[in-house]
This record gives sequence, structure tokens and C-alpha cells, in this order.
Amino acid sequence: QQQVKQSPQSLIVQKGGIPIINCAYENTAFDYFPWYQQFPGKGPALLIAIRPDVSEKKEGRFTISFNKSAKQFSLHIMDSQPGDSATYFCAAPHGTASKLTFGTGTRLQVTL
Amino acid sequence: ETGVTQSPTHLIKTRGQQVTLRCSSQSGHNTVSWYQQALGQGPQFIFQYYREEENGRGNFPPRFSGLQFPNYSSELNVNALELDDSALYLCASSEPGQGARYGYTFGSGTRLTVV
Repeated sequence: QQQVKQSPQSLIVQKGGIPIINCAYENTAFDYFPWYQQFPGKGPALLIAIRPDVSEKKEGRFTISFNKSAKQFSLHIMDSQPGDSATYFCAAPHGTASKLTFGTGTRLQVTL
Repeated sequence: ETGVTQSPTHLIKTRGQQVTLRCSSQSGHNTVSWYQQALGQGPQFIFQYYREEENGRGNFPPRFSGLQFPNYSSELNVNALELDDSALYLCASSEPGQGARYGYTFGSGTRLTVV
């Protein structure tokens, strides 16, 4: 059962563009929404995270927007750079083991 | 030593064989979780270990088992390998009481290929 749905599957933007990646969740028990960035040959690394009592969070060029009523959240990358080319995963933790449920990932390519 | 270290980095096994993957957690982290990442997919939770005991399990059969040692390092064992077990296996450690909510530190993974 997929509890976090992510789109698009892949994305190509030019340098300076603003890619937007969307996620939708079903389980209202989710209470924390992190985004992970994964480069080829590496494990995922925490990028930015938001709690559901906040509608927006910015860290550098990365912004999360959260819509609790729609059960959706999105990642925006301002002034995207070729070094941002990676796969991005949204996720949500739940349960006593705080396991992470990941989305299916978005492969981002930023071209010159 | 900082960071999460996994070994080996790559492994090729034959269907039906058994495999052991190893993980050294980041210094100070006493909770270790294992994830399976199939090609083109997000990581899937296998199980978590805390204080040498299993502390939660995902939808994986019993042939997936693990251990955590007093130094917080961990092993993932998979018996009777199947072709669908081919994946990147990720180990993640976290600080006491933090868990997934404040960010795991993931290793670079072990790429397992079953032929």
C-alpha cells in the first residue's frame, strides 16, 4: 500500500529555473515531512523537513510548501543549478520505530 | 570515524544462496535501520534495531533477519536469495530518541545482484 504518492517521475529544467516536486499522503497520522536528496552511488541525505502546523519552510534555495487540508506538500528549488541534479524523495515517518515511508522519487536534471 | 559505513559496496550472489551485509553506524548513534531500494524506487523499510533488539519491521519475510552488536554496528542477513532481492540495501543510523523524525544518516549502500 503506497502511502506517499510523488510526482513527477522525472523533471528537466534549465539552470535558474524553479523545479517543483509534489507529494500527496493518505495517512493523517503523519506528523513530519522530510525531503531527501540522493546522488548516484550515494545514500539519501536529509535536505529539508516541515511539520504540519507550518505552511511553508525555507532553507537556502529550497522551500517546502504544505497544504494540510489537501494532504499535499511540495518542494521548490529556487535558482536551480546543475549541482542540484539528483533524485529527490519525499517521505513521512510513523510508528514506534519511526520508520520512513518514501515516495517513488523524482529524478531532476538541471541543464546549462 | 564519522558517517555510516557499509560493506561490501557491491555483491553478486546466486539464487538460493545466503548473504550478510554489514553496517557501522555513525558515532553516538544507537539506532540502526535497514532499507531496501529497488532500481528506480524509493527505499522500503526492512527493520530497525535499538539496543540490540528488533524495534519494528516492515513487510519483509522472515528470511530477512538482522543483528545489532554492543558497539551499535549491525548486520542484515538474507537467506534463500531470490532474483527480486536484487537491490541497493541501505543502512541508516540515528541518535537516541531521534529516529526518522530528525533525520537518519544513511550509508552509501550495498548493491546486491542475484543471478
